[in-house]
Amino acid sequence: KQEVTQIPAALSVPEGENLVLNCSFTDSAIYNLQWFRQDPGKGLTSLLLIQSSQREQTSGRLNASLDKSSGRSTLYIAASQPGDSATYLCAVMGVSNYQLIWGAGTKLIIKP
Amino acid sequence: ETGVTQTPRHLVMGMTNKKSLKCEQHLGHNAMYWYKQSAKKPLELMFVYSLEERVENNSVPSRFSPECPNSSHLFLHLHTLQPEDSALYLCASSQVAAGAAYNEQFFGPGTRLTVL
Repeated sequence: KQEVTQIPAALSVPEGENLVLNCSFTDSAIYNLQWFRQDPGKGLTSLLLIQSSQREQTSGRLNASLDKSSGRSTLYIAASQPGDSATYLCAVMGVSNYQLIWGAGTKLIIKP
Repeated sequence: ETGVTQTPRHLVMGMTNKKSLKCEQHLGHNAMYWYKQSAKKPLELMFVYSLEERVENNSVPSRFSPECPNSSHLFLHLHTLQPEDSALYLCASSQVAAGAAYNEQFFGPGTRLTVL
């Protein structure tokens, strides 16, 4: 059974720092992995999607990597800004039933 | 309207009420989803509709009843709910490609449900 873990559960850093959020999964048979952002009381915004054949995806200051063999993905945020404060969720899609399995999220606070 | 919309955004109901949540997607997708998000827990998939047919039901209590009249609309009918059903209910849509490949999901803003 696929399990997705995100560490740390919460992170607080000063503005301007580069930071890394971690996501690990137990079953490497995945179709893709997605990173989402959720602002308080709001829905989810898709940030990056990495197909199983890819190693990384980039969008602006965000870079997501995928290492299927070790069951890990990282989301790198460069030059963090207070507007980056949100909860970041990682989800993997399995090849057997194409359902998204979710991590519990990392709550990120960027201090001005 | 663009993307995925949900109404109402907030709902307070008693345990004996009947209410419905509505989701509409304007993306031309052919698959729609209901998720439940409770505090400090991972998202739970409740229902999946692909091409207007229910393809997944993760053992959700019968007090939740989904309806998908067409590929753009999805409803969640609520009846005799419990306080522990209070949560954020999120709707999503995606495009199912040939070979049942479910790709990137796009989410609505959610309905914050409180059951008294």
